[in-house]
Amino acid sequence: DTAVSQTPKYLVTQMGNDKSIKCEQNLGHDTMYWYKQDSKKFLKIMFSYNNKELIINETVPNRFSPKSPDKAHLNLHINSLELGDSAVYFCASSQATTQQETQYFGPGTRLLVL
Amino acid sequence: AQSVTQLGSHVSVSEGALVLLRCNYSSSVPPYLFWYVQYPNQGLQLLLKYTSAATLVKGINGFEAEFKKSETSFHLTKPSAHMSDAAEYFCAVRGSASKIIFGSGTRLSIRP
Repeated sequence: DTAVSQTPKYLVTQMGNDKSIKCEQNLGHDTMYWYKQDSKKFLKIMFSYNNKELIINETVPNRFSPKSPDKAHLNLHINSLELGDSAVYFCASSQATTQQETQYFGPGTRLLVL
Repeated sequence: AQSVTQLGSHVSVSEGALVLLRCNYSSSVPPYLFWYVQYPNQGLQLLLKYTSAATLVKGINGFEAEFKKSETSFHLTKPSAHMSDAAEYFCAVRGSASKIIFGSGTRLSIRP
């Protein structure tokens, strides 16, 4: 009955590899997000999709490409991984893009690039 | 542009003592403010949110926060700390286009 789930939970890989992180929400929400949390716990939004359309794209390298096959899924593909990509990546979802809507977060994917 | 500042990256209190985690916000429009908690190796969980309905907001696990416009503050409190409250706490404000802008976090430690 997990609301927002992410796979994998842990990901260890070599520099230069390409990897994907998957996110699924079963809340019926229209909007999904990706956040990055660095080693100092600082959280910042990367992308947001509403009904499969990109609505937020912060200054993220184009090696990061989100894909939303349907409104319940938002996957994150990362090409040519770099050491600085090591972080925890959180997926989140909300019902709408109104100011009051609560965002529900997944458990996070801990990415370590060696 | 909206932003939040959390004062104190680490707060340590004794079990049973008052918990006070400070957050100040900056916003050109009436803000929507949140407190999230992150337990070790877990995701973020919403503690409470302010949406202008009431200035004193009660959340889960006995936490509450008071919105003070005159002080641009939204401090989080709990009357009596429990060992299970040890976690990272994030204050956040809703920015443009639905994105949430987080503070830098405050790690709460509880001494037995």
